[in-house]
Amino acid sequence: QQQVKQSPQSLIVQKGGISIINCAYENTAFDYFPWYQQFPGKGPALLIAIRPDVSEKKEGRFTISFNKSAKQFSLHIMDSQPGDSATYFCAAAGWSFNKFYFGSGTKLNVKP
Amino acid sequence: ETGVTQSPTHLIKTRGQQVTLRCSSQSGHNTVSWYQQALGQGPQFIFQYYREEENGRGNFPPRFSGLQFPNYSSELNVNALELDDSALYLCASSLDLGQGALRTGELFFGEGSRLTVL
Repeated sequence: QQQVKQSPQSLIVQKGGISIINCAYENTAFDYFPWYQQFPGKGPALLIAIRPDVSEKKEGRFTISFNKSAKQFSLHIMDSQPGDSATYFCAAAGWSFNKFYFGSGTKLNVKP
Repeated sequence: ETGVTQSPTHLIKTRGQQVTLRCSSQSGHNTVSWYQQALGQGPQFIFQYYREEENGRGNFPPRFSGLQFPNYSSELNVNALELDDSALYLCASSLDLGQGALRTGELFFGEGSRLTVL
């Protein structure tokens, strides 16, 4: 059973556009929701994360929107740039952080 | 400050063989987690080690085993390799300050060990 479901699988956006990736989870015990960015040949790197006590968190061009009642959260990349082209993973973890559940990933391609 | 380093970067094995993958955690980190990432998929949690003890395990069979050493480096061992074990194995380190103390949930990943089983 997949604990975190992510969509879309791939996304093509023009430079300057908004990229939106969505995730949904089932386990209400999850307490931490990070987004990781992975470039080819590299390990994932933390981009931004949110706790369920807030509905939105913004860091530069990256924003997480969180809907606790719907058990959904999304990543918005404003003013998307070709350098943002990568695979993005949402994830969820409980308070102990000893196990992270990752989504299946979204391959983003930002066209110049 | 050195990041997470993994070795080897690539290796090829045949079915039934055994493999050992190694990970050096980021300086100052005391927790190591291992993840399996199949091609085109998200990382799947294998297990985590904290202070040399297993601290959580995912849905992987016992032939996946691990160790953490006093310097917080770690090994992942896989016995009786199967074709489906072909994947990128990622090691991630983090800092756990213990119960009741401030924690950070950030995982610092290495670049992984790409295992191909023929």
